[in-house]
Amino acid sequence: SAVISQKPSRDICQRGTSLTIQCQVDSQVTMMFWYRQQPGQSLTLIATANQGSEATYESGFVIDKFPISRPNLTFSTLTVSNMSPEDSSIYLCSVESLDRGQEKLFFGSGTQLSVL
Amino acid sequence: AQSVAQPEDQVNVAEGNPLTVKCTYSVSGNPYLFWYVQYPNRGLQFLLKYITGDNLVKGSYGFEAEFNKSQTSFHLKKPSALVSDSALYFCAVSYNLGKFYFGSGTKLNVKP
Repeated sequence: SAVISQKPSRDICQRGTSLTIQCQVDSQVTMMFWYRQQPGQSLTLIATANQGSEATYESGFVIDKFPISRPNLTFSTLTVSNMSPEDSSIYLCSVESLDRGQEKLFFGSGTQLSVL
Repeated sequence: AQSVAQPEDQVNVAEGNPLTVKCTYSVSGNPYLFWYVQYPNRGLQFLLKYITGDNLVKGSYGFEAEFNKSQTSFHLKKPSALVSDSALYFCAVSYNLGKFYFGSGTKLNVKP
């Protein structure tokens, strides 16, 4: 299984600023994923973070707004740039890992972002 | 395009009664199907998944789900609901490389 540490757990930010969210995994994983969960809504995949290459973004998400770093196999960051109130959401890091022989998706505890 | 539908925003059931949370998917290829649960103020937790084999999959906390290929459904079920089962349930689809696509979620309310 994988244990994921995500920080900060929450933050309140001013419009126009940027916030970087960190995700640390206790084991090496090939890919890490970033999701957003807007209030009252489901999870939406933002991007896939590959070690050693640029992240792959889903439709509706762009690198300028959500730059991602993946410097090694246990760590990734997601930056929410030039924030607006519409970016208020929970941001989740996740990895796929083996747990008792089964592949499962593990999630970090999430970062609750409020933009004023 | 892949999509996952959870047609019910909310399901209400009395404690001790059977429960069903519905999920259908629209896909190409052979997806992996998952159920996750999100308890209040807590992160997502894995319940069960279907890859291949027996269409009835048993998971955590007494939950099970039945894969129906002809109806492209993967409904979550439990024979006897508990008040502690009250939570938000997400159906999800994955193909490869670990990308997951989630349904909109269904809030389960189990009343004593």
